Amino acid sequence: NAGVTQTPKFQVLKTGQSMTLQCAQDMNHEYMSWYRQDPGMGLRLIHYSVGAGITDQGEVPNGYNVSRSTTEDFPLRLLSAAPSQTSVYFCASSYSGQDGQPQHFGDGTRLSIL
Amino acid sequence: KQEVTQIPAALSVPEGENLVLNCSFTDSAIYNLQWFRQDPGKGLTSLLLIQSSQREQTSGRLNASLDKSSGRSTLYIAASQPGDSATYLCAAGDGGGADGLTFGKGTHLIIQP
Repeated sequence: NAGVTQTPKFQVLKTGQSMTLQCAQDMNHEYMSWYRQDPGMGLRLIHYSVGAGITDQGEVPNGYNVSRSTTEDFPLRLLSAAPSQTSVYFCASSYSGQDGQPQHFGDGTRLSIL
Repeated sequence: KQEVTQIPAALSVPEGENLVLNCSFTDSAIYNLQWFRQDPGKGLTSLLLIQSSQREQTSGRLNASLDKSSGRSTLYIAASQPGDSATYLCAAGDGGGADGLTFGKGTHLIIQP
């Protein structure tokens, strides 16, 4: 039972490079989201999706792009990496839009932008 | 905008003690309140979720309460063990779950053997 799988676990990029953080879940969850966790800031929502083909912005969406072509996958794209995007990124999933469903998190991707 | 505050930021207690972690939120129109545990270098593990219509939830030695009118939630840990050492995060669920969670900054808990 894999749950939420994030790849890669670690990544170092140079300023201006682009990359995609992968997230996959095998629980048939409709709702998926991306957070970033920074020291002293807590977790902040970047983008979320309530189902295949539907995405929306969270609190800190600038510099990130998402798409949801399947229920299982929700990749996060950094278009042109900046040092301010150095962070730990977490993907989460749950059953959609119901107030009684806990969110399941992946182990995170630790990203450094030089 | 919802804001979630956790007090204390850090706590160190001897093994066996009962302890309470506090969480407050500014907007009482929440759909749920969720408590997580985060171990170093790891993701978040859901401990308890309290729906807006509920007052408390229990799982083993953990009990979480919710008072929407006062904007407060507490996580009670009974008979603490060294394995309970971790960072505990509370998160308020807004917008029926579709708008994600608003997190506090966490309480870093150390249980001394």
